[in-house]
Amino acid sequence: KQEVTQIPAALSVPEGENLVLNCSFTDSAIYNLQWFRQDPGKGLTSLLLIQSSQREQTSGRLNASLDKSSGRSTLYIAASQPGDSATYLCAVPGTGGGADGLTFGKGTHLIIQP
Amino acid sequence: AAGVIQSPRHLIKEKRETATLKCYPIPRHDTVYWYQQGPGQDPQFLISFYEKMQSDKGSIPDRFSAQQFSDYHSELNMSSLELGDSALYFCASSRLFTEAFFGQGTRLTVV
Repeated sequence: KQEVTQIPAALSVPEGENLVLNCSFTDSAIYNLQWFRQDPGKGLTSLLLIQSSQREQTSGRLNASLDKSSGRSTLYIAASQPGDSATYLCAVPGTGGGADGLTFGKGTHLIIQP
Repeated sequence: AAGVIQSPRHLIKEKRETATLKCYPIPRHDTVYWYQQGPGQDPQFLISFYEKMQSDKGSIPDRFSAQQFSDYHSELNMSSLELGDSALYFCASSRLFTEAFFGQGTRLTVV
């Protein structure tokens, strides 16, 4: 059974810092990994999807890397802003097929201090 | 751009009642997923459909059922509701093997 772990569970930093959020998973036979952002009581916003054949994916100030063999992914946030405050979740699909449900980590609760 | 539409946004039911949640996926997405998120918890996968056929099943209680219709919208039916069913219920859609997009969720409160 796939297990996803995110470190740290919470992080509070001043505005402008560069951040690294970590995600690890136990079953490396995944075909992609997805990072989400969730604001309190709201839906999940997809940030980045990395296919298993890719090592990195970038969107604006966000960069996600994937090391499938070691079961790790990182989300790098450059020049953090107060609007980045949210919970960040990584998720991987099951290994049975394309419509498998996602297994989520418990998230990193991020606070950016103005 | 069109997003995943869920209705209703909020629902209050009494114990032992039945609830039906609806999901309208992004056009041309062939896969629909349902998730349950309890307070302070990560989303838990319930069930998925690919091309209107049930595809994967997670931790969905036997009291819950779901289906996907010919127009690709999906409904989650929840019977004999319990207090512990109070949660945010999300629907997501995707094209197979690609990025999943989530709706804003239905907040179900069982009293």
